Amino acid sequence: DIQLTQSPSFLSASVGDRVTITCRASQGISSYLAWYQQKPGKAPKLLIYAASTLQNGVPSRFSGSGSETEFTLTISSLQPEDFATYYCQQLDTYPFTFGGGTKVEIK
Amino acid sequence: QLQLQESGPGLMKPSETLSLTCTVSGGSISSSSYYWGWIRQSPGKGLEWIGIIYQSGSTYYNPSLKSRVTISVDTSRNEFSLKVSSVTAADTAVYYCARHRSSGSSRWFDPWGQGILVTVSS
Repeated sequence: DIQLTQSPSFLSASVGDRVTITCRASQGISSYLAWYQQKPGKAPKLLIYAASTLQNGVPSRFSGSGSETEFTLTISSLQPEDFATYYCQQLDTYPFTFGGGTKVEIK
Repeated sequence: QLQLQESGPGLMKPSETLSLTCTVSGGSISSSSYYWGWIRQSPGKGLEWIGIIYQSGSTYYNPSLKSRVTISVDTSRNEFSLKVSSVTAADTAVYYCARHRSSGSSRWFDPWGQGILVTVSS
């Protein structure tokens, strides 16, 4: 199975901060990577797919980049509603796998 | 707007077979280019992909669960189902159903159902 390692696993930030989350794959996955946001008690919500394509309706402060084994999710200016846990997922090879998550909390 | 809703028992005993159904509304489960999948999340833990099914019935399962999992689709009822046999406490989780697109570089799961908590306990 392809392992996805997210870092950091936890980060504390303030409203307005620029936040970057990294996802590293154990082998190359081209650009078959998606990012999801999950709030407590809710289902994950798709933010980005194909490593850098913003899903319809997702604010432009979210962006993604990377290919093969290293990917990043960036929030350019953190808003109160962005405090949540973020997961990456590889969709290159079965079984599709998820990263361990990054919890973004208010500083 | 497409919506998915999971249904099934919330409490099970060890060794029983878990059966969940995902009802799709606002769109057809027979739409081309889409698969339908199940993902679970153990309490306080991360996400685990269980498997997917195409409208034709083609399936792909996580090898870690493959011997115990069956996913089926009923296009006439616009729903798909998950069965997990011989459950143990390790199968306690929130189970989500979701639509999966796999077309070129467009691969993702969206939308997701709200999730259903299944607890396995004697």
